[in-house]
Amino acid sequence: KAGVTQTPRYLIKTRGQQVTLSCSPISGHRSVSWYQQTPGQGLQFLFEYFSETQRNKGNFPGRFSGRQFSNSRSEMNVSTLELGDSALYLCASSTDRVLGNEQFFGPGTRLTVL
Amino acid sequence: AQSVTQLDSQVPVFEEAPVELRCNYSSSVSVYLFWYVQYPNQGLQLLLKYLSGSTLVESINGFEAEFNKSQTSFHLRKPSVHISDTAEYFCAVSAVNRDDKIIFGKGTRLHILP
Repeated sequence: KAGVTQTPRYLIKTRGQQVTLSCSPISGHRSVSWYQQTPGQGLQFLFEYFSETQRNKGNFPGRFSGRQFSNSRSEMNVSTLELGDSALYLCASSTDRVLGNEQFFGPGTRLTVL
Repeated sequence: AQSVTQLDSQVPVFEEAPVELRCNYSSSVSVYLFWYVQYPNQGLQLLLKYLSGSTLVESINGFEAEFNKSQTSFHLRKPSVHISDTAEYFCAVSAVNRDDKIIFGKGTRLHILP
């Protein structure tokens, strides 16, 4: 099976712009979670989607949004970018986390905001 | 709600020496516990997990972790480390049979000294 793929791998934007990141989960996985990773804050949960519905949401401002399509692919969008949004954004998929199944992570998208 | 504390942000250890990476959690309900590893410039990979049953769990590359309910700990150990173990290690917790989000610790960076 192909692993979790994320596109693009690297992105450079300027303050005020918006960005859309994409995640393709492992085939058959219905749960997709997004995380922001920074050196100072570690791994912070953004949101989780399961069967096109947002199941959980982290403590991020409304500028951060996401969605999941019927084929389980997911996108996250960040509007009005700020310098502090520079981070590695990780996507993870799972069959169903509720049963303790592991999450499979993609390589991440590294976003730099100038 | 659950929380995870990784007490050490960095752990230096000589090659072939033993290592312990500490993880403590808090939760009012039963939990699943995970250790994930992140090698440089990669996403996270599951190292091992505790769901139920035997409190000692092992990985294929020599790591082990013991679930201690009374001390609410899930420390990761390896009797002899190798240079290839250089990575960041994340402890994570999620509630059993609930769709609450997974909580990750801030990570422990393992430095292997020659």
